[in-house]
Amino acid sequence: KAGVTQTPRYLIKTRGQQVTLSCSPISGHRSVSWYQQTPGQGLQFLFEYFSETQRNKGNFPGRFSGRQFSNSRSEMNVSTLELGDSALYLCASSAGAGNLGEQYFGPGTRLTVT
Amino acid sequence: SQQGEEDPQALSIQEGENATMNCSYKTSINNLQWYRQNSGRGLVHLILIRSNEREKHSGRLRVTLDTSKKSSSLLITASRAADTASYFCATNAGNMLTFGGGTRLMVKP
Repeated sequence: KAGVTQTPRYLIKTRGQQVTLSCSPISGHRSVSWYQQTPGQGLQFLFEYFSETQRNKGNFPGRFSGRQFSNSRSEMNVSTLELGDSALYLCASSAGAGNLGEQYFGPGTRLTVT
Repeated sequence: SQQGEEDPQALSIQEGENATMNCSYKTSINNLQWYRQNSGRGLVHLILIRSNEREKHSGRLRVTLDTSKKSSSLLITASRAADTASYFCATNAGNMLTFGGGTRLMVKP
């Protein structure tokens, strides 16, 4: 099976802009979770989608949003970018909901906000 | 805030030696997972231990879980240079995975 893919791999944006990141899960996986990784805050859970529904959300402002399509592909959007949004954004897929099982991670999208 | 905290934050050993990393967490969990991350890349799942299990093995990896102390340890035996990476514990509680700060392991050839 092909692994989790994320596009783009690298992105440079300017403060105030918005960005959309994409994640394609492993075939057959219906759960997609998003994480933000920074040197200061570590790995933080953003949200989980299962069967096109957001199941859980981490402690992030409303500027961070996401969605999942019927083919389980997911996108996350960050509006009004701030310098502090510079991070590695990771998505992970799993067969079941609730992050109860093994998570398969993509390579990440490195976002730099200038 | 982070549910799990790893100890030590960094560890440097010689090839062939064993490496032990510890993880402490704060609340009741469904399971605890360990992941490895090579420099700035995606995480790779290593092992999952359920809350009713005390010990689990996978190849050169041994994980223990003590729910009374809210702690877990990961032992890598006979380490190799290729084991150089960051290791994270992640606890599942309330259908969310919460990661610790990680242990940076360096294995010198």
